[in-house]
Amino acid sequence: KAGVTQTPRYLIKTRGQQVTLSCSPISGHRSVSWYQQTPGQGLQFLFEYFSETQRNKGNFPGRFSGRQFSNSRSEMNVSTLELGDSALYLCASSQDGGGTGYTFGSGTRLTVV
Amino acid sequence: AQTVTQSQPEMSVQEAETVTLSCTYDTSESDYYLFWYKQPPSRQMILVIRQEAYKQQNATENRFSVNFQKAAKSFSLKISDSQLGDAAMYFCAYRSAYSGYALNFGKGTSLLVTP
Repeated sequence: KAGVTQTPRYLIKTRGQQVTLSCSPISGHRSVSWYQQTPGQGLQFLFEYFSETQRNKGNFPGRFSGRQFSNSRSEMNVSTLELGDSALYLCASSQDGGGTGYTFGSGTRLTVV
Repeated sequence: AQTVTQSQPEMSVQEAETVTLSCTYDTSESDYYLFWYKQPPSRQMILVIRQEAYKQQNATENRFSVNFQKAAKSFSLKISDSQLGDAAMYFCAYRSAYSGYALNFGKGTSLLVTP
């Protein structure tokens, strides 16, 4: 079956702009999580959605938001981009909220200039 | 919040040899899940092995096995018969069984496999 699909793979944006990243989970998976990966901070949890509801949120400013659609696809939005938002953004899906392990996508590499 | 510590930023192993990657974690919970993920240069995080805290038996997946010491809060990964394709970043991760659905990751260990 198809894996977790993230689009786009690469993105370059200017400070102050906003960006939307997309994630399509594995078919049948209702839980989608987002992570930010940077060399300095490592992997940090952004938020998790299950059946269109945000169940958990990490310690990120309100500029970071997300949503999940009825088909379980998820989007993540970052407004008023800052240079420090440059990172690899990883999406992960799970059937049950992660107890059996998450399946990750290949990520979106966001560069803010 | 639970913290996960990987004390070895880099490790090196020769092909066909065995290597052990260390991971310790801090928690007051009794039930949780532990994972090892592998991230090759392709960037995709791949689940290597999973352990449920209430299970005493150490998990194994082919050449990969763990040494889970609950009292010591230690969760090391052993890779046997190392292959060139094992070269990657390895991340240890913790997930609570009670609160939230987030994975808490360690900083990672970069594994180099030499011929």
